Amino acid sequence: DAKTTQPPSMDCAEGRAANLPCNHSTISGNEYVYWYRQIHSQGPQYIIHGLKNNETNEMASLIITEDRKSSTLILPHATLRDTAVYYCIVRVAGNTPLVFGKGTRLSVIA
Amino acid sequence: GAVVSQHPSRVICKSGTSVKIECRSLDFQATTMFWYRQFPKQSLMLMATSNEGSKATYEQGVEKDKFLINHASLTLSTLTVTSAHPEDSSFYICSARGDWSSNQPQHFGDGTRLSIL
Repeated sequence: DAKTTQPPSMDCAEGRAANLPCNHSTISGNEYVYWYRQIHSQGPQYIIHGLKNNETNEMASLIITEDRKSSTLILPHATLRDTAVYYCIVRVAGNTPLVFGKGTRLSVIA
Repeated sequence: GAVVSQHPSRVICKSGTSVKIECRSLDFQATTMFWYRQFPKQSLMLMATSNEGSKATYEQGVEKDKFLINHASLTLSTLTVTSAHPEDSSFYICSARGDWSSNQPQHFGDGTRLSIL
């Protein structure tokens, strides 16, 4: 079973920031938070991951609350090409696979 | 970097045919590869985990004799769907990770859409 909870869908206006929430209240101390997205009929694309500090890369920012029970993925300037299903996954470092939940379907609207 | 190539991207074949799907890590050595299956409007379901040179570990409910996995090298894993039937039609996606001991992400291929007539 997935260990995260995400809203099933969200809309975002093109050019605005998209803030995708994720609850992971049972996360353990050695589990990382990973974000992937899947554009229709493609394989999942890695976006970002973190343990407890906020992270930023060229695609997005990841904000993790101090108690680590939730996080937010921020796409600073959403474009139509960001329309996809976004998955938040917690995983311990090591030889364990990613287990996908249902994700959030983000629709970016012109 | 970290490119995973999957081939073929689409297969259409008759019932009873065996189909082989290849997954290659192009610019890194994949000590571990994973195979997922995705039905329409559903999330990815893990089928099996394979480590180079050893037998794959299958998830509960996945028939190991039907879905043969070979991970013979650090850059190649294959999934063979034996005697495929219409209910095996699905989107099959492979994933690879280099350093299994770290927190580095898994990288995914673009998937193979299998249609059994």
